[in-house]
Amino acid sequence: EAGVAQSPRYKIIEKRQSVAFWCNPISGHATLYWYQQILGQGPKLLIQFQNNGVVDDSQLPKDRFSAERLKGVDSTLKIQPAKLEDSAVYLCASSLGVDYSPLHFGNGTRLTVT
Amino acid sequence: GQQLNQSPQSMFIQEGEDVSMNCTSSSIFNTWLWYKQDPGEGPVLLIALYKAGELTSNGRLTAQFGITRKDSFLNISASIPSDVGIYFCAGRNSGGYQKVTFGTGTKLQVIP
Repeated sequence: EAGVAQSPRYKIIEKRQSVAFWCNPISGHATLYWYQQILGQGPKLLIQFQNNGVVDDSQLPKDRFSAERLKGVDSTLKIQPAKLEDSAVYLCASSLGVDYSPLHFGNGTRLTVT
Repeated sequence: GQQLNQSPQSMFIQEGEDVSMNCTSSSIFNTWLWYKQDPGEGPVLLIALYKAGELTSNGRLTAQFGITRKDSFLNISASIPSDVGIYFCAGRNSGGYQKVTFGTGTKLQVIP
């Protein structure tokens, strides 16, 4: 089966600019996750969707970050305006959404904010 | 929030040696997951554990779900150069939307 697809792979922007990331999960996976991974750290959950509804966005900086999953398939994560501390790898993952199904990750988008 | 601490933070081992790493939590989890991440790639699932006390193997990898449900262990036997990478544990809550929390990672380097 095809894996989780993410684009772009790399992005360099200046602070205060905006940026968007795209994710296409594994076909049939109901749950979609966006994680932020700062260099040298483990992934931190930003937002979790079940189909097209948000089930957890408690760690999403909502003053600058937004995400949507229209039609319950693809998802986009946006940052506006970006700060230096947003430099990180943004990982998208998906799972079947049934009890305890494991997460499968894409290769991430590496964001550098200068 | 929940925190998962992994140890050791990093390790250098000789090719052929066995490796042990562990993960401890302040909270109880119903599922433990172990992932490996290579540079520039996303984490790849190695082993999933679903029951306290469970011992599961995947080739040279063996992982255990701690009896207290607050810890898990990963062992790699007879290490080879391609084992190099960062290993993450992750714990999953029960019920609701089953949030998955990741540990701090163990960086493994294998000396040929």
